[in-house]
Amino acid sequence: ETGVTQTPRHLVMGMTNKKSLKCEQHLGHNAMYWYKQSAKKPLELMFVYNFKEQTENNSVPSRFSPECPNSSHLFLHLHTLQPEDSALYLCASSQEGGRGQYFGAGTRLSVL
Amino acid sequence: GENVEQHPSTLSVQEGDSAVIKCTYSDSASNYFPWYKQELGKGPQLIIDIRSNVGEKKDQRIAVTLNKTAKHFSLHITETQPEDSAVYFCAPTDSWGKLQFGAGTQVVVTP
Repeated sequence: ETGVTQTPRHLVMGMTNKKSLKCEQHLGHNAMYWYKQSAKKPLELMFVYNFKEQTENNSVPSRFSPECPNSSHLFLHLHTLQPEDSALYLCASSQEGGRGQYFGAGTRLSVL
Repeated sequence: GENVEQHPSTLSVQEGDSAVIKCTYSDSASNYFPWYKQELGKGPQLIIDIRSNVGEKKDQRIAVTLNKTAKHFSLHITETQPEDSAVYFCAPTDSWGKLQFGAGTQVVVTP
């Protein structure tokens, strides 16, 4: 148990569906992150939030929409996804920007 | 942007032997150098890190060495055990907290 909880663990959705991924951290950290992990590719940083403010968006398509209502919760809203968006989506948190990140177990997403 | 290369991409070692993974980076502004371990079905876990004012750090069977002049740092695992089998990632980070993960090294420890 890393202190970072992601739900759901698995998600199958059609290209026209709308779904949300949830991340919660119980570590008192100030920064939270979304990553995409695809087979045979390095982890891709998608979004960074520091003190609930988005500080980084790495050219992520608008069909991915993050939300950070407070420093303990992070959401990733998904709509009209493509099959190539199928991947493991990982959430992480840290006390110090970028350093010593704690990861959740991820949500395995399949887009049909 | 940061260019990170990790070698080897796969590493098979006999139980009890040592394993070494090397990470080369391009951004001279990097000053924090962590290694993460990812087991099957789990997220990456920070196992050891080093800051740029230190050349080596050890924690039981794992160690990290840093050569800032040559822009590379390495993970050393001694007396490998089956539970060391996992994918290992380096993630050099600059003072702004911007980091880039390496492509990963699959380590397999055979009994």
